[in-house]
Amino acid sequence: DFQMTQSPSSLSASIGDGVTITCRAGQNINTYVNWYQQNPGEAPKLLISAASSLQSGVPSRFSGSGSGRDFTLTISSLQPEDFATYYCQQSFGTHMWTFGQGTKVEIK
Amino acid sequence: EVQLVQSGPEVKEPGEALKISCVASGYSFASHWLGWVRQMPGKGLEWMGFIYPGDSDTRYSPSFQGQVTISADMSISTAYLQWNVLKTSDTAMYYCARLPGGNPRTWFDYWGQGTLVTVSS
Repeated sequence: DFQMTQSPSSLSASIGDGVTITCRAGQNINTYVNWYQQNPGEAPKLLISAASSLQSGVPSRFSGSGSGRDFTLTISSLQPEDFATYYCQQSFGTHMWTFGQGTKVEIK
Repeated sequence: EVQLVQSGPEVKEPGEALKISCVASGYSFASHWLGWVRQMPGKGLEWMGFIYPGDSDTRYSPSFQGQVTISADMSISTAYLQWNVLKTSDTAMYYCARLPGGNPRTWFDYWGQGTLVTVSS
């Protein structure tokens, strides 16, 4: 089962807060998880690949961790440009990729 | 510089056919998987499928198998997503996106700007 259950679906936080978003896979998917950020009206942007590898140009306040079934994306200190929607995505299934449902991060 | 440039917005009626495109530049088109992602209004991302232009190996999500066709033309570095019979439920933004190489177990590293498809009578 390649389902990805992402939580929470939304959260409110203040500038400077730390936030954590989680994804749980339906089966062991090793570290085949990626995280994307999407701003309204824009295409998604890759933040983290292979569970924990930060993409070039992505601020170090973003980090990813996990393996097996449970994965997290952490933003250590929210900045104004981080208010967006975040998606996890599994690529373990070479014939079946899936995205999580998304987490909208809003300003409190 | 890697670029994926998608065709413009479309307004169609139910039952019509449609083919949208994604023109790639700045890399070896034949050597990278290229996929399509649907985003319905106000909703999340859905993986539709991808193609390896070098040998036309194509994989579809079960949700989209038989509903759309993904193809590629290496001579013009262009990938396509087509429908033979559009439904109102096909109204969505469609993104093309590239994988970083020939391994399908990776990620989407570059994205097109999206093509908005509206199907309405």
